[in-house]
Amino acid sequence: QSVLTQPPSASGTPGQRVTISCSGGSSNIGSNYVYWYQQLPGTAPKLLIFRSDQRPSGVPDRITGSHSGTSASLAIDGLRSEDEADYYCATWDDNVSVVVFGGGTRLTVL
Amino acid sequence: DVQLVESGGTLVQPGGSLRLSCAASGFTFNKYAMNWVRQVPGKGLEWVSAMSGSGAGAFYADSVKGRFTISRDTSKDMLFLEMSSLRAEDTAVYYCVKGAKAYCSADLYSWGQGTLVTVSS
Repeated sequence: QSVLTQPPSASGTPGQRVTISCSGGSSNIGSNYVYWYQQLPGTAPKLLIFRSDQRPSGVPDRITGSHSGTSASLAIDGLRSEDEADYYCATWDDNVSVVVFGGGTRLTVL
Repeated sequence: DVQLVESGGTLVQPGGSLRLSCAASGFTFNKYAMNWVRQVPGKGLEWVSAMSGSGAGAFYADSVKGRFTISRDTSKDMLFLEMSSLRAEDTAVYYCVKGAKAYCSADLYSWGQGTLVTVSS
């Protein structure tokens, strides 16, 4: 059971907009930035969004993050086949001084 | 370019011990927090431990506290994870991860390719 809650799966057709949610509590998402990681099949995870809504260089602007209260979300516009991957949210939990991850969302491009 | 190369993963018996290593290059090692994150094949990510850039702060997941010890050798730009009293549920790919700042956070900026630890008799 993960501290952060994500839907286990999401899907969309090419060109569509998909949103993945991540919910937590006051000691984690409610108090800290949220980070999103993308893991393509057979590869190590990669940082996709930092500080809740910032993109590292090289991440396209069709990928956006948002954060409000104890929830965060990742949106992907103009869905492409190469977006098919597992997506994880993460943050710091102040109560226990650990990094907590969501259970992950598998995105399928139909 | 940042490079993180893990080593030390192998098959070990339950109750045994193992040391994982991570060779870091391409950045000033003592200016960044370092982490270990693991993943059971086919499952999600689990953060294991982190150490601040100075080495003064170390943090552990409850699942490994008291059994695992994180350390770093700044003279050699190496990160270590000493694992003892290993259990079947410790079987996973272990990733060495560079943080974005000197303090520990969820900003896991660069990831190694991982090393597989299998705990089985």
